[in-house]
Parts: sequence; structure tokens; C-alpha cells
Amino acid sequence: GAVVSQHPSRVICKSGTSVKIECRSLDFQATTMFWYRQFPKKSLMLMATSNEGSKATYEQGVEKDKFLINHASLTLSTLTVTSAHPEDSSFYICSARPRLAGAGGETQYFGPGTRLLVL
Amino acid sequence: DAKTTQPNSMESNEEEPVHLPCNHSTISGTDYIHWYRQLPSQGPEYVIHGLTSNVNNRMASLAIAEDRKSSTLILHRATLRDAAVYYCILRDASGGSNYKLTFGKGTLLTVNP
Repeated sequence: GAVVSQHPSRVICKSGTSVKIECRSLDFQATTMFWYRQFPKKSLMLMATSNEGSKATYEQGVEKDKFLINHASLTLSTLTVTSAHPEDSSFYICSARPRLAGAGGETQYFGPGTRLLVL
Repeated sequence: DAKTTQPNSMESNEEEPVHLPCNHSTISGTDYIHWYRQLPSQGPEYVIHGLTSNVNNRMASLAIAEDRKSSTLILHRATLRDAAVYYCILRDASGGSNYKLTFGKGTLLTVNP
């Protein structure tokens, strides 16, 4: 089945530093990748949608200058949390929508998540 | 995306069937009904989806009401590994929303040994 990986799985950083999270589709090409954030005991909240080769579309209330998204290829999207602060501590999850219907076109495949702790 | 309503939690016993309900009274003709589940500390996992007809796969069955205003996810024999939060999501197949998924609170399924 389709596999999406995220790296790192867990990161601890100091306040004010930047953290980059990678999301890769391992066995399929992804037209679109999505980034979510999940706080403890809460549901997933969509942060942004990224299409390969174009600028990401951010959801209302999400600062595009703080959460930089790059989708440089059909298998890789990155989320950079710039000048991270303790309130940015969360579980960040990406998902990928396959380019070809044969790879399950209607569904999204999720990564295992990255737990960010900002001290 | 149209909203869905699910019970906050449900409980089941191991090896018994589980019926997880979802109401979506404002569903439109182009909305697919998707179910995902999220195990603790993991990303969501696709379970099943359908449009009008009932669907079966190796994980579960999806029963869709004739008026499409509700659906039920059926786990035929619950195992301890099925303990998770189950999300019922309507997704616009027209592509206008760029296929994004909007997650609600879901149903927390507890499976008792």
C-alpha cells in the first residue's frame, strides 16, 4: 500500500530556533500534500495545502511566514516552523494525495506524525 | 465540506461486531463519505469510503442510508488493535476544495478484552 514517511518523528528545540519537518511519499507521486496540526486530545486541524511547484494555500488563521511550506517535487514536501515558541509545540502530520487514480486517487495517505516540543 | 455528527465515544467487546454511526444530513450529491481512524500517537489511517452503495473491504464495511443522510461503519469482529478514534468525513469529489479533508471530533472506540 501507499506509504508516507515523516522525518524527524520527534524533535525538541529551543525557543527562537527553526525546525524543518520532511514529508515523503515513498512509493507514489503526490499531486497534493496537506499539513495538519493536532494538539493533545483534539482533532486534526488543517494548516495548509501544497501543490507541487506552486505556493501553498494556508487555512485561515495560519501564519504563512511562520509555517513555511515547500513542495519541490512530487514526492517531497517540507514544513519549516520558523522562530518556534512553546505554543508551537504540537503533533504535526502530513498527508499526500496520489497523482494517479490507480494508486488510490480518492484517498489520502497520512504520515506517522512529528512531535515537536519547543522549550 | 458538509458537517458530520458522531457519538463522542463507544465501547465494544473483543471479537464482537461494532457499528459506528455518522449523521450527515446536509450531504450534497458530490460528497463522498470517508472514514479514517487514528490510533494513539499515530497519523490517521484510511478505512473505507463510498458514495451511494454499501462498500466492503478487508478492514470494514460501510453501510450508507438510502437518502445518504447517515452511514454506519461496521467492524465485523473488533480486536484490541481497533481501539482508535474513528472519523467520518464528507469530501467534495468535485475538486473545488482541492480534496482537503476536514476532521471533526470523531468517535473514540474502546475495545474491552
